Amino acid sequence: EPEVTQTPSHQVTQMGQEVILRCVPISNHLYFYWYRQILGQKVEFLVSFYNNEISEKSEIFDDQFSVERPDGSNFTLKIRSTKLEDSAMYFCASSGDREMDIQYFGAGTRLSVL
Amino acid sequence: GIQVEQSPPDLILQEGANSTLRCNFSDSVNNLQWFHQNPWGQLINLFYIPSGTKQNGRLSATTVATERYSLLYISSSQTTDSGVYFCAVDVGDDKIIFGKGTRLHILP
Repeated sequence: EPEVTQTPSHQVTQMGQEVILRCVPISNHLYFYWYRQILGQKVEFLVSFYNNEISEKSEIFDDQFSVERPDGSNFTLKIRSTKLEDSAMYFCASSGDREMDIQYFGAGTRLSVL
Repeated sequence: GIQVEQSPPDLILQEGANSTLRCNFSDSVNNLQWFHQNPWGQLINLFYIPSGTKQNGRLSATTVATERYSLLYISSSQTTDSGVYFCAVDVGDDKIIFGKGTRLHILP
């Protein structure tokens, strides 16, 4: 069964450093998403991406965050200058159709900011 | 925005018991998904169920869209069922909204 792949599984970084979280969505999918889960809390929407641009973003997704689809397969989330409160599990998801299709989630990247 | 409430927040059961998890939502939804988050943090999709009933082994789910709730049934619980169960709804605006989850502990 096709799956969404995220790398790395765990990223440790120093406060103030830039990090890039990588995702390979399911190959024929058109819609891409990032979600965040702070430890012990619920999963929260960050951003959705379609046709090479952001289609919606939450208030969490401020100027420190950016997303990119640098080639035909990867979808990345960049945090420019990490803060302690960015420590969380980050999930990538993709779907083939925005309204009627299931979102398939990757296994997540655990980001630890020290 | 839409509210998604899950109950109970925590559930402790003996291995072999049955359980029912509930998800209430405050508005009409396009889709509803149930996820299991395992102890390693991975989100595993269990059901995509905007309405009706589906079964997969020991798990089944029912969504009554007109009454804005969904139920997840786990029968003959095993220790590997432990983890957090999330309900998530899609209202058609590019994101899905998660509930706070039910933390399930299955004791051997």
